[in-house]
Amino acid sequence: GQNIDQPTEMTATEGAIVQINCTYQTSGFNGLFWYQQHAGEAPTFLSYNVLDGLEEKGRFSSFLSRSKGYSYLLLKELQMKDSASYLCAVRDASGAGSYQLTFGKGTKLSVIP
Amino acid sequence: EPEVTQTPSHQVTQMGQEVILRCVPISNHLYFYWYRQILGQKVEFLVSFYNNEISEKSEIFDDQFSVERPDGSNFTLKIRSTKLEDSAMYFCASSESVYTTYEQYFGPGTRLTVT
Repeated sequence: GQNIDQPTEMTATEGAIVQINCTYQTSGFNGLFWYQQHAGEAPTFLSYNVLDGLEEKGRFSSFLSRSKGYSYLLLKELQMKDSASYLCAVRDASGAGSYQLTFGKGTKLSVIP
Repeated sequence: EPEVTQTPSHQVTQMGQEVILRCVPISNHLYFYWYRQILGQKVEFLVSFYNNEISEKSEIFDDQFSVERPDGSNFTLKIRSTKLEDSAMYFCASSESVYTTYEQYFGPGTRLTVT
């Protein structure tokens, strides 16, 4: 099974940098995804890590340490539109060809002026 | 940019009624998924579908649920006899492959309200 933990809420100031942490315990691992979800909308893909290290994509970066079961999403130059929930999801590799995503509860980020 | 579409956007039904939620995955994608999200809770996996059969299903996906790909474009989720606790946002997703970087693309969701 999978257990994924991330903070429930965070607040940060426009223009600042924020780091959202995610820890996981898994029976199988085939990658970690970060999704953004605005209220009432679908999750949209932000980043993917399967190997240890940092993946950078514009204002967003994601880090993975498989030995520690740890990832973080780094958001730079925060904008008001970044106010959303950020979902950490682990892709299972233990099933027979499914590769379902198991999501954490999400971190609700509020960006304030 | 290609996208996953879902209809209807909102469905209200009475307890015990059957509902069918419809999805059109991205055209060249081969793997299809249904997830649900009860208000204020996390996104939960229901079922995955590949090559016209279920690949995996969660404990939530009991005998009241079924999925079908009736033609080359649609992917449906049927709930035979809805319960109050089935009220949730249902997301369809699709991916081109399950290998490495192929992410799942989510549709806008169908909000199901069971009264």
